[in-house]
Amino acid sequence: AQSVSQHNHHVILSEAASLELGCNYSYGGTVNLFWYVQYPGQHLQLLLKYFSGDPLVKGIKGFEAEFIKSKFSFNLRKPSVQWSDTAEYFCAVEGGGADGLTFGKGTHLIIQP
Amino acid sequence: ETGVTQTPRHLVMGMTNKKSLKCEQHLGHNAMYWYKQSAKKPLELMFVYSLEERVENNSVPSRFSPECPNSSHLFLHLHTLQPEDSALYLCASSQDRGDTQYFGPGTRLTVL
Repeated sequence: AQSVSQHNHHVILSEAASLELGCNYSYGGTVNLFWYVQYPGQHLQLLLKYFSGDPLVKGIKGFEAEFIKSKFSFNLRKPSVQWSDTAEYFCAVEGGGADGLTFGKGTHLIIQP
Repeated sequence: ETGVTQTPRHLVMGMTNKKSLKCEQHLGHNAMYWYKQSAKKPLELMFVYSLEERVENNSVPSRFSPECPNSSHLFLHLHTLQPEDSALYLCASSQDRGDTQYFGPGTRLTVL
């Protein structure tokens, strides 16, 4: 069965700092990869996704993620965070026999002004 | 964002009650999903429907009973729940199985 690991459960950064959130998955076959974000009081929203092609994908609000197949990783990055990026970030993977998404536990990101 | 709506947004029920959660998608999608989000646990897939047929049931207890009468509506019928079933229940939809999923706001369920 597929599993997804997000190693950082809580991250606190200052504005303008660079961000990298780790995500690793277990299934070695073809996968679709996603990052979702949940802002306080709002529902889950898609940040970016990778299905195929260029392993460096760009999403909304200046976020990007890089798929490294050899490392089973799909880390999320942003060069300069803003206070409004405070949210819960979820990595999710589709593949390995399941039709739905397998989620990581999430990373709670707090940006201090 | 009104693509996927869920009602009610909050629900408190006793262990002997019967209630239903409703999800409606206005996106013309063919696949719908139920997820459970518990505190300190990852989002867990419960059910998948494609073209109104159930295609996956991740070993969910029978006290949860899904229903998909058409491609726009999905229900989760609840009966004789346990306090550990208290969680946020999320509905999602996608154009087809394997496509990007869009989530509703969730129903916050508390079982007393």
